[in-house]
Amino acid sequence: KAGVTQTPRYLIKTRGQQVTLSCSPISGHRSVSWYQQTPGQGLQFLFEYFSETQRNKGNFPGRFSGRQFSNSRSEMNVSTLELGDSALYLCASSLRHGITEAFFGQGTRLTVV
Amino acid sequence: AQKVTQAQTEISVVEKEDVTLDCVYETRDTTYYLFWYKQPPSGELVFLIRRNSFDEQNEISGRYSWNFQKSTSSFNFTITASQVVDSAVYFCALSETPADGTASKLTFGTGTRLQVTL
Repeated sequence: KAGVTQTPRYLIKTRGQQVTLSCSPISGHRSVSWYQQTPGQGLQFLFEYFSETQRNKGNFPGRFSGRQFSNSRSEMNVSTLELGDSALYLCASSLRHGITEAFFGQGTRLTVV
Repeated sequence: AQKVTQAQTEISVVEKEDVTLDCVYETRDTTYYLFWYKQPPSGELVFLIRRNSFDEQNEISGRYSWNFQKSTSSFNFTITASQVVDSAVYFCALSETPADGTASKLTFGTGTRLQVTL
């Protein structure tokens, strides 16, 4: 059974640009959550999607957005990138809305220069 | 607001030693879930255990064991006879329970880096 797949694994962007990260959950899982991990702030919740609807949102500016498709795949977008957006972005997949066991992908490491 | 504290930033042990990673949490919810995750250098968070707030039984899985004490708001993790492969960052996490009764967002501690040497 394939795990959570995040693409790309690494990304370098310039300040002011926008970026889109992709997450394919485990087959059959319908809930996808996104987290940002930085050395200074640790792991912080961005948002959760279930059945193509955002169910929960963390304390991040509107530059951070996401969506989920009918096949449960999710994308997150960051517009007008800032240096502080450099982080490891982790996607978690759960069977349904709400935490059963959340399985994480290997993440996308975004560097903003 | 929910909070998870992992006071131990880094622990170094020699292989075969036992090691306990501490986790203290704060929440106003009466129903909540606690988790432990392992993050090896590859970056992926590996699920280890989930415990709900009504189940205070300790759990053992091979060399891993967990001690949940609601009275002290702690959920500690012990590795018995540690091995080099146990070297990683370990995170304790607490789930928020939205009004619809389903747990959703995870609040993570700052992690404990465990270094096991020969």
